[in-house]
Amino acid sequence: ETGVTQTPRHLVMGMTNKKSLKCEQHLGHNAMYWYKQSAKKPLELMFVYNFKEQTENNSVPSRFSPECPNSSHLFLHLHTLQPEDSALYLCASSQEEGAYEQYFGPGTRLTVT
Amino acid sequence: AQTVTQSQPEMSVQEAETVTLSCTYDTSESDYYLFWYKQPPSRQMILVIRQEAYKQQNATENRFSVNFQKAAKSFSLKISDSQLGDAAMYFCAYRSPMYSGGGADGLTFGKGTHLIIQP
Repeated sequence: ETGVTQTPRHLVMGMTNKKSLKCEQHLGHNAMYWYKQSAKKPLELMFVYNFKEQTENNSVPSRFSPECPNSSHLFLHLHTLQPEDSALYLCASSQEEGAYEQYFGPGTRLTVT
Repeated sequence: AQTVTQSQPEMSVQEAETVTLSCTYDTSESDYYLFWYKQPPSRQMILVIRQEAYKQQNATENRFSVNFQKAAKSFSLKISDSQLGDAAMYFCAYRSPMYSGGGADGLTFGKGTHLIIQP
């Protein structure tokens, strides 16, 4: 596997369910990001991890809980979501220094019923 | 906080023609980075082109070039010789320099422009 991968690609969950999204990068990067992409809205930065430490939480509700066990893996734990949380969730990674380009995964299409 | 505005929700161009996508941004910083990302239908977002604000020369990548007007805070993307594979959502994005926030900051995106290529 190369680049940034995300699993699952599609997820349907009820409002009382607990699920997790997984992101893995094979690029040797040190920073990882979660973005939310909703229709008709700009991509919204949710969380930033730099060398496994969370450096930014962009006022995200606590029903979204990130976890970064190492520089290659990033999780987004979901619980008690609302229908308005339905969106495409994108993971990205970048070098902490030097290059500023972010490499994106294919996303997880989440539907909350 | 920085904001990025893409005023064209959708653009259409004939194959082989040239199209320009608009982007304006608002910032109080003097040093920053600007990007155009492309998101084809059901495919991953990829970087098209990058511009460092301290560089006066406009960035160019093959058929893609930018018109960076720092004073006007404008960053348009020109696609020459449009091809069917160029059809996608195009996002303009802004990023602060590394030293401003202490670490890996995220990108601030515009809402995107849907580019349609007419065969």
